[in-house]
Amino acid sequence: QVHLQESGPGLVKSSETLSLTCAVSGYSISKGYYWGWIRQPPGKGLEWIGAIHYSGKTYYNPSLKSRVTMSVDTSKNQFSLRVNSVTAADTAVYYCARIPHTAVVTTIFHYVDYWGQGALVTVSS
Amino acid sequence: QSALTQPASVSGSPGQSITISCTGTSSDVGGYNYVSWYQQHPGKAPTLIIYDVTERASGVSTRFSGSKSGNMASLTISGLQAEDEGDYYCCSYTSSPSVLFGGGTKLTVL
Repeated sequence: QVHLQESGPGLVKSSETLSLTCAVSGYSISKGYYWGWIRQPPGKGLEWIGAIHYSGKTYYNPSLKSRVTMSVDTSKNQFSLRVNSVTAADTAVYYCARIPHTAVVTTIFHYVDYWGQGALVTVSS
Repeated sequence: QSALTQPASVSGSPGQSITISCTGTSSDVGGYNYVSWYQQHPGKAPTLIIYDVTERASGVSTRFSGSKSGNMASLTISGLQAEDEGDYYCCSYTSSPSVLFGGGTKLTVL
């Protein structure tokens, strides 16, 4: 059974950098799939942040692209998220996820089949 | 990128059927057969119920079904049960490549 677990500071100061890691068990990220991040502000809907392949190829939400960096560590079977210059609007539950895809002419993300339990990150002033 | 449009809330009595709509554009819902639906209970992570417009995820009841016409996708739940109460989100691939979610629909079982 695939299991994803987010970890990282639950409180980040405004203008600083949010950092989260997702540890994957039950599946080797080097075997394929994209691995992504999705967030949900309190009481609001879901927002796609982006995704990364074990090769290092990344795709980011255009609205967040300038502040987001994702990386992967295949030796630890985990991947990470960094969001720079955070504000209160970045306060959310952050989910990591596994994303089936196809890549022919372009990469197409199909859906999210496994989700982490989520990690609440609060941005304080 | 604007979120896909869903009704804020729907409700139904046990045993009834309800449908949740998800409206996008020809660049997302209408352009690709990669619409998925997720159920979320309070304080929990979303779970996949429908993928590729019509396919039920493993273990999901046959009471759940998905469809699409033009730029609008729909999730239908038949034989409504109390356990179906929660939030439902649609999701679509969009060219960039990227992914768009709907704003979510709160289902209340009366």
